[in-house]
Amino acid sequence: KNEVEQSPQNLTAQEGEFITINCSYSVGISALHWLQQHPGGGIVSLFMLSSGKKKHGRLIATINIQEKHSSLHITASHPRDSAVYICAVRSMETSGSRLTFGEGTQLTVNP
Amino acid sequence: KAGVTQTPRYLIKTRGQQVTLSCSPISGHRSVSWYQQTPGQGLQFLFEYFSETQRNKGNFPGRFSGRQFSNSRSEMNVSTLELGDSALYLCASSQSGQPYEQYFGPGTRLTVT
Repeated sequence: KNEVEQSPQNLTAQEGEFITINCSYSVGISALHWLQQHPGGGIVSLFMLSSGKKKHGRLIATINIQEKHSSLHITASHPRDSAVYICAVRSMETSGSRLTFGEGTQLTVNP
Repeated sequence: KAGVTQTPRYLIKTRGQQVTLSCSPISGHRSVSWYQQTPGQGLQFLFEYFSETQRNKGNFPGRFSGRQFSNSRSEMNVSTLELGDSALYLCASSQSGQPYEQYFGPGTRLTVT
């Protein structure tokens, strides 16, 4: 079992739909990151969470430390949101910036 | 501020050769981490450097090595290249070793033939 698991692996939505991507992890963490990767490889950090909820525009990220679970929500999805979304955690057992990644969720938003 | 830069962006090498990749972090960032991304294994942590010292190392063979200079620029080296080393190599910088947000570079795509 991977330390970080995401679901679903693939997600296709229509423009305007509300989207949820889930991330479960099995280790104690000091932080959880949501990352976005577009074709071509560049990765953008969307959120870093250690508790509660954060919101940037149409994106919302939540984390439940007790349940070891986080969700990324996209409201009013748009074709430009099509990308791979990756959950990554920083374990409490390691110092520094080492991240462990989920396998990613490929999101396709159709117009 | 300029973002994280990586050079070269694309590289083709032959089995058995060695390669050096470079990463320049955001100004003021002292931590640089390196990651390998392949279709089969996804993103995996290679190593992290902080103030010219390797702080963490992932589960990669000794053919993978790195270093960090006094200006925080970092290089990674892969010796005796294998076909399986073909991957996107990403570096990320952060302000310090604390759980600050990481900023990723565009990556170097290495193809080993």
